[in-house]
Amino acid sequence: EVQVMESGGGLVQPGGSLRLSCASSGFTFSGYPMNWVRQAPGKGLEWVSYISSSSGTTDYADSVKGRFTISRDNAKNSLYLQMDSLRDDDTAVYYCARRRDYALDVWGQGTTVTVSS
Amino acid sequence: EIVLTQSPGTLSLSPGERATLSCRASQSVSSSYLAWYLQKPGQAPRLLIYGASSRATGIPDRFSGSGSGTDFTLTISRLEPEDFVVYYCQLYGSSPRLTFGGGTKVEIK
Repeated sequence: EVQVMESGGGLVQPGGSLRLSCASSGFTFSGYPMNWVRQAPGKGLEWVSYISSSSGTTDYADSVKGRFTISRDNAKNSLYLQMDSLRDDDTAVYYCARRRDYALDVWGQGTTVTVSS
Repeated sequence: EIVLTQSPGTLSLSPGERATLSCRASQSVSSSYLAWYLQKPGQAPRLLIYGASSRATGIPDRFSGSGSGTDFTLTISRLEPEDFVVYYCQLYGSSPRLTFGGGTKVEIK
């Protein structure tokens, strides 16, 4: 079965750091670009970050640029999101998602990040 | 940056009725870059339509997508009870960035 599963969410104070992980299975992870998408409580979907299949290209939403770092380890079939200088408005459910063509066809169940003092 | 506007924000219909959801882009886009998702409460989004009109794997044929340029439509021909959820459109815009619309909630009338 093709799936991805996030982990690493939790409660962190403003200014703190957190590292999210996304483990994949059932497909050739190294063949697909991957993304992080988040959803604040009661809000819509917000694209956060992208990484190409070979890690050669990364991109970030303006709201997280300079604070978040996306990476992947194709040998471990895993995607990561290092989040530093966290702010209250980073509170959200974070999803990792596989990109196929121009859409996101496989999503994880999400991991919750709460930034609060 | 291209903005996606979904309308209406909430659509109140009865089971068995036809639903028509709109997604409008602030400038003309390639239909290849437009996708639709549904999201059930407490669950991750699920891909419904890609390339504006192609159904994703396992999606029933009561769901259809259409449109071009700036105006795109998701149609649900006959609403089933499980279809009363939130729908999002998404654009692959300034490569490799993605943009989502604000969502349309389909609720039971």
